Amino acid sequence: GQNIDQPTEMTATEGAIVQINCTYQTSGFNGLFWYQQHAGEAPTFLSYNVLDGLEEKGRFSSFLSRSKGYSYLLLKELQMKDSASYLCAVTPRKADSWGKFQFGAGTQVVVTP
Amino acid sequence: GAGVSQSPSNKVTEKGKDVELRCDPISGHTALYWYRQSLGQGLEFLIYFQGNSAPDKSGLPSDRFSAERTGGSVSTLTIQRTQQEDSAVYLCASSSGWGADSPLHFGNGTRLTVT
Repeated sequence: GQNIDQPTEMTATEGAIVQINCTYQTSGFNGLFWYQQHAGEAPTFLSYNVLDGLEEKGRFSSFLSRSKGYSYLLLKELQMKDSASYLCAVTPRKADSWGKFQFGAGTQVVVTP
Repeated sequence: GAGVSQSPSNKVTEKGKDVELRCDPISGHTALYWYRQSLGQGLEFLIYFQGNSAPDKSGLPSDRFSAERTGGSVSTLTIQRTQQEDSAVYLCASSSGWGADSPLHFGNGTRLTVT
């Protein structure tokens, strides 16, 4: 199985930077996704990491360290619309389990003026 | 193009009744997934379908839950003899490929309330 931990809530001001950490413990690991979910809406894909290192996409960046079982999502130049829940999800390595994405409980980010 | 479509968006049912939830995946997507999300909880895997392969049902919480995918497209999740603990948002997702590097595209979900 896989245990995925991320903070429950983070608060930051508009224009600031926030880093959301995700740690996982797994018997087999392939890659890690980050999703954004606004209240009452579907989760939407943000990023995917399979190799160690930083992936940058505009204001959002995601980092992965496979050896440490650790990832973070970095949100820069925060905007009010970034207030949402951010979900970390890992995918197993076993070929017969690839569809079983395992999600963390999500980190609620609150952006204040 | 059209995204993943789920119906109904809301369903209120009495304990003990059966419900059917429908999912129309993105056209051409070969993989289809069902998850559920309870308040304050992470997404819980239920079942996935990939092409013509046998579905992975290992996440279904009890034998009251079943799912079908007809013609490799539309899927129906059926919950028999609903219980109050079944109340949750049921999310369907599809992906274009197979394996861990294909992101899921989610529908807006069906909010199920069992009274």
